[in-house]
Amino acid sequence: KNEVEQSPQNLTAQEGEFITINCSYSVGISALHWLQQHPGGGIVSLFMLSSGKKKHGRLIATINIQEKHSSLHITASHPRDSAVYICAVRAGAQKLVFGQGTRLTINP
Amino acid sequence: DAGVIQSPRHEVTEMGQEVTLRCKPISGHNSLFWYRQTMMRGLELLIYFNNNVPIDDSGMPEDRFSAKMPNASFSTLKIQPSEPRDSAVYFCASRRGTEGAFFGQGTRLTVV
Repeated sequence: KNEVEQSPQNLTAQEGEFITINCSYSVGISALHWLQQHPGGGIVSLFMLSSGKKKHGRLIATINIQEKHSSLHITASHPRDSAVYICAVRAGAQKLVFGQGTRLTINP
Repeated sequence: DAGVIQSPRHEVTEMGQEVTLRCKPISGHNSLFWYRQTMMRGLELLIYFNNNVPIDDSGMPEDRFSAKMPNASFSTLKIQPSEPRDSAVYFCASRRGTEGAFFGQGTRLTVV
């Protein structure tokens, strides 16, 4: 079993839908990251969380430390949100452990 | 700031050749990370440096891989000799302290 599991692996939705991507982990962590990888390959860090909830524009990230679970939500989704979303946890001082990613496609 | 700069963006080389990937971290960042991304294994940490010193290289696949950070503004990842299974996208990332990491655009390596 992977230390970081994401679901779903693939998600296709219509423009405007509310999107939820889940991340569960099995190790003790000091922080959790949500990353976005564009079709061109570039990676952007969206959020770094250690507790609670963060919001940036239409993106919301939450984490429940007790349940070892995080969610990334996208409100009013748009085709430009189409990307691979990667959850990564910091286990130990520096090492990041990555999930396999969720490929999101938003159709117009 | 220009962000983390990697070069080249694309590299195609023949099996057996030496490949050198380069990374310029963001000025003022004291940690640098090299990652490899493949379809099969996703993103994997290869090695990271803190204040130019290699801290953990347990992710380096084998002796054909080596990484150096001669100063705070430059790092290299070298593969010698390269093999087709090394084909992947290699990302460099940097960060300051415990802040979030910033990723470069990646180098897409194809070994034929």
